[in-house]
Amino acid sequence: DAKTTQPPSMDCAEGRAANLPCNHSTISGNEYVYWYRQIHSQGPQYIIHGLKNNETNEMASLIITEDRKSSTLILPHATLRDTAVYYCIVRTTGGGNKLTFGTGTQLKVEL
Amino acid sequence: DTGVSQDPRHKITKRGQNVTFRCDPISEHNRLYWYRQTLGQGPEFLTYFQNEAQLEKSRLLSDRFSAERPKGSFSTLEIQRTEQGDSAMYLCASSSRGGDTGELFFGEGSRLTVL
Repeated sequence: DAKTTQPPSMDCAEGRAANLPCNHSTISGNEYVYWYRQIHSQGPQYIIHGLKNNETNEMASLIITEDRKSSTLILPHATLRDTAVYYCIVRTTGGGNKLTFGTGTQLKVEL
Repeated sequence: DTGVSQDPRHKITKRGQNVTFRCDPISEHNRLYWYRQTLGQGPEFLTYFQNEAQLEKSRLLSDRFSAERPKGSFSTLEIQRTEQGDSAMYLCASSSRGGDTGELFFGEGSRLTVL
């Protein structure tokens, strides 16, 4: 699976949009981009995933560049409960849906 | 749907003892995964099952580690002769076979401390 690069930490004011970047310059055509988050002392939680097109759900939006070498996870109105480590993962099809986690971005949402 | 359950949530043991963790996946999920997470790191894949078959094992899974899923439902992860380096959070996840875009549902983990 392709390697991803994320900033180790980011801060965001409550109520503002949080934009979390991810570089995956070696992504191949059959690899999806997944985002998970992990709130302290809990298991990781799925947020969203995409292949080529931008995606939106009730939690977040995922913007994937046209060349697919990078993506941005957008939390439109961050709250204190969004403070967590956010993992960007690229994964091939098949392989038992196994995910390979990096070290992620620690997002801190502050008042 | 009660989610993925793990037991115990916390375990403190002395070096050299054996420990066993249990995972109950979401009932209709046929894939089950074990991960290990140490402080400041992302979860590391250990092994996964499809039904009762163990289909992949990481090199991290040394001979002291064994995982089973005897009836394709719950799973156990046993660590024999524990070492201090085994101290970590052990996470279980499950997923359905729903194509290549299936998401993983994680439990809250079992934290192991080896003294």
